[in-house]
Amino acid sequence: GESVGLHLPTLSVQEGDNSIINCAYSNSASDYFIWYKQESGKGPQFIIDIRSNMDKRQGQRVTVLLNKTVKHLSLQIAATQPGDSAVYFCAEKGAGTALIFGKGTTLSVSS
Amino acid sequence: KAGVTQTPRYLIKTRGQQVTLSCSPISGHRSVSWYQQTPGQGLQFLFEYFSETQRNKGNFPGRFSGRQFSNSRSEMNVSTLELGDSALYLCASSANAPGIQETQYFGPGTRLLVL
Repeated sequence: GESVGLHLPTLSVQEGDNSIINCAYSNSASDYFIWYKQESGKGPQFIIDIRSNMDKRQGQRVTVLLNKTVKHLSLQIAATQPGDSAVYFCAEKGAGTALIFGKGTTLSVSS
Repeated sequence: KAGVTQTPRYLIKTRGQQVTLSCSPISGHRSVSWYQQTPGQGLQFLFEYFSETQRNKGNFPGRFSGRQFSNSRSEMNVSTLELGDSALYLCASSANAPGIQETQYFGPGTRLLVL
């Protein structure tokens, strides 16, 4: 069945480092992917998205890479800051507007 | 523009009771989806509504139901609550119709505890 997963449940980095959070998806027919950030006590916050006709998209301090050959998605955060500490989810567009979420990676940034 | 709002933010119920949660989407957004978040299962899709019609449904029992009003506000109801229904219930809204790649924006969620 469809599933979206993340490679590592936790990632610890130093402030100023670049962070890379990975995600593997299983449905090769998926054509839209999103990264969300969820802070404690809050709902998921949209970070960046990418469509399957692209392999890279950049935002402010974030870059999403899509490798359809190996069904892999990654989120790169440049110059990671303490405020980036949160749980990061990748999500895949399923039937209709249903999002299929991975389990999440907890990013901890130490100063 | 105000974000997605959900009420109440916290709720405590006992087994067997029923509960109704409310969601107001971002102004102008017509599609509302509901998700359940638990530590064990993560974020799981419940259902989506567009123009007062349920367009898609996840793999949850019939105790979980929802509806959408003409102003796009949505409610979800859980009847005969079970301990396992304790979760964060999230509502997300998007601007357009299902099947179109539209970003979903989430509310803060309603934390439900079933005792």
